[in-house]
Amino acid sequence: QQQVKQSPQSLIVQKGGISIINCAYENTAFDYFPWYQQFPGKGPALLIAIRPDVSEKKEGRFTISFNKSAKQFSLHIMDSQPGDSATYFCAASGDSSYKLIFGSGTRLLVRP
Amino acid sequence: KAGVTQTPRYLIKTRGQQVTLSCSPISGHRSVSWYQQTPGQGLQFLFEYFSETQRNKGNFPGRFSGRQFSNSRSEMNVSTLELGDSALYLCASKLRVNTGELFFGEGSRLTVL
Repeated sequence: QQQVKQSPQSLIVQKGGISIINCAYENTAFDYFPWYQQFPGKGPALLIAIRPDVSEKKEGRFTISFNKSAKQFSLHIMDSQPGDSATYFCAASGDSSYKLIFGSGTRLLVRP
Repeated sequence: KAGVTQTPRYLIKTRGQQVTLSCSPISGHRSVSWYQQTPGQGLQFLFEYFSETQRNKGNFPGRFSGRQFSNSRSEMNVSTLELGDSALYLCASKLRVNTGELFFGEGSRLTVL
């Protein structure tokens, strides 16, 4: 019940296209859902985060869509660029400690 | 402002040895967490320290331990190394305990032979 399932494992998108990464969770106590971006040789960096009181959050080209009833959330990258090529991790947290449970990651490649 | 600094960046050990990894958080950050990253298991939470006290612990054996010093710097130790301990060990700091925004270092890559 502590798992966060992420798909797809890898994704190839053409420049200018939309990249979509999905995550699903079981634990209804989760109330904080961040997405992290990791480039090779670097640590993950927070990209965008959402709480279940809203269904969508947008920051620039990055949007989180959240479906509380389905216990699913997704990251949309609009107008994908080669510089977006990285591994993306969804995560969830549900207690005051904010201990994050991470998904398995999606390796995104944006072709020029 | 300097980011999270981890040392050493790379190290090779043999089975049965022990290793100590070091982490200096962002200045002003008092919470430090450790994560293990492997291709098979992904990012797994090891433990979190705040004000020299362990606040939270993941599901790792007792061979994995950590501590935090009064200057917020943290160390983690793995004793009796096993081949399966080969991983990237990531340290992350945050400004407050009640936030999910972690700032990660670049990690210490441990190879156990």
